[in-house]
Amino acid sequence: EAGVAQSPRYKIIEKRQSVAFWCNPISGHATLYWYQQILGQGPKLLIQFQNNGVVDDSQLPKDRFSAERLKGVDSTLKIQPAKLEDSAVYLCASSPKNSGSTDTQYFGPGTRLTVL
Amino acid sequence: DQQVKQNSPSLSVQEGRISILNCDYTNSMFDYFLWYKKYPAEGPTFLISISSIKDKNEDGRFTVFLNKSAKHLSLHIVPSQPGDSAVYFCAALHFSGSARQLTFGSGTQLTVLP
Repeated sequence: EAGVAQSPRYKIIEKRQSVAFWCNPISGHATLYWYQQILGQGPKLLIQFQNNGVVDDSQLPKDRFSAERLKGVDSTLKIQPAKLEDSAVYLCASSPKNSGSTDTQYFGPGTRLTVL
Repeated sequence: DQQVKQNSPSLSVQEGRISILNCDYTNSMFDYFLWYKKYPAEGPTFLISISSIKDKNEDGRFTVFLNKSAKHLSLHIVPSQPGDSAVYFCAALHFSGSARQLTFGSGTQLTVLP
């Protein structure tokens, strides 16, 4: 079974530029998550999708961050414009169901963003 | 406001001995607690979990203990192996309707010495 795929693996941009990350979850997984992991910290949830609908985006900085999952499969996360403090690893995760169990989340390798 | 804390950034143990990783939390509303393992350049991998109504869960060499009164959990690895060297994240899960809010600690780097 293929894991969660993310691209690009690395991205370097200047502040005020825009950037987009792509995620392809494990086939059949209904739930998709985006996390931000700043160096030295644990991952922080940004947004959760159930199929193509947003379930929780309470921690997403909506003035500059946006995410979509149009067909309930792939997802993109965009930052526009980027700030220095956005430098982090952006992790995508997926889980098979949302039924009240621990619903194990499977993580991709992440995209390391550096904002100069 | 850190709801999940791992106060030890690193831990070294000898191969074959026990590794004990600790985690504290502040929110009594968490429903499950999980441990994830992370190797460099990879995403975190689920290791073991425990329901908030249990006090122990065991899976092979890995055992998680939960002390709700102290708001403390620990992961025991026995015996430790060099391949266990990784960053271990404690995480707490809260259900809110359809939302699954997973809050992570800052991680502990475990090094198992041969």
